[in-house]
Amino acid sequence: GAGVSQSPSNKVTEKGKDVELRCDPISGHTALYWYRQSLGQGLEFLIYFQGNSAPDKSGLPSDRFSAERTGGSVSTLTIQRTQQEDSAVYLCASSLEGFYNEQFFGPGTRLTVL
Amino acid sequence: KQEVTQIPAALSVPEGENLVLNCSFTDSAIYNLQWFRQDPGKGLTSLLLIQSSQREQTSGRLNASLDKSSGRSTLYIAASQPGDSATYLCAVAPFNNAGNMLTFGGGTRLMVKP
Repeated sequence: GAGVSQSPSNKVTEKGKDVELRCDPISGHTALYWYRQSLGQGLEFLIYFQGNSAPDKSGLPSDRFSAERTGGSVSTLTIQRTQQEDSAVYLCASSLEGFYNEQFFGPGTRLTVL
Repeated sequence: KQEVTQIPAALSVPEGENLVLNCSFTDSAIYNLQWFRQDPGKGLTSLLLIQSSQREQTSGRLNASLDKSSGRSTLYIAASQPGDSATYLCAVAPFNNAGNMLTFGGGTRLMVKP
């Protein structure tokens, strides 16, 4: 009965470096979402995976951001050439298939770009 | 573009009071509305989910109502306790075939004083 897990819980990096954030959804959940929570922007959607369908990347703020989901389970969010404005808490959520289903969130990864 | 607003932004009440948190959204074409709780430095905990066809949902001391046509939802907390202190977020899922990505309000920061 584990919930959504994310790693690392905290990441400090230097401007210009690449970072990878990991999300393990609840077992059996086919839908996976990435959101970003920052002081200036609140909580905003980044990317959505549903089963084997092509992901919805409409929320990604720039082409430095990408994500993949392997085997329909674990997802990795990659930020290339990090900038200070990328500093935020990155939250992952998962849900069962279907539009009516409740999303369950992980604890988040706090990213600080120096 | 959907916009979600929460009023008030912050609220401080003495223990035992009943209170109402407000959420409004600009586009009534939604699948569902979720209320979340977020403790400092933590992820989001789902409190209640109301489908677009429903008027309210209850869980313990919490009651959430939805008036889709007017674009409003309220979260009622009965007999508030210091442990209820947290930020409360509402989020709506769009009525489309593209996915269930949530649009969040800015949150209400609640403090319940003993």
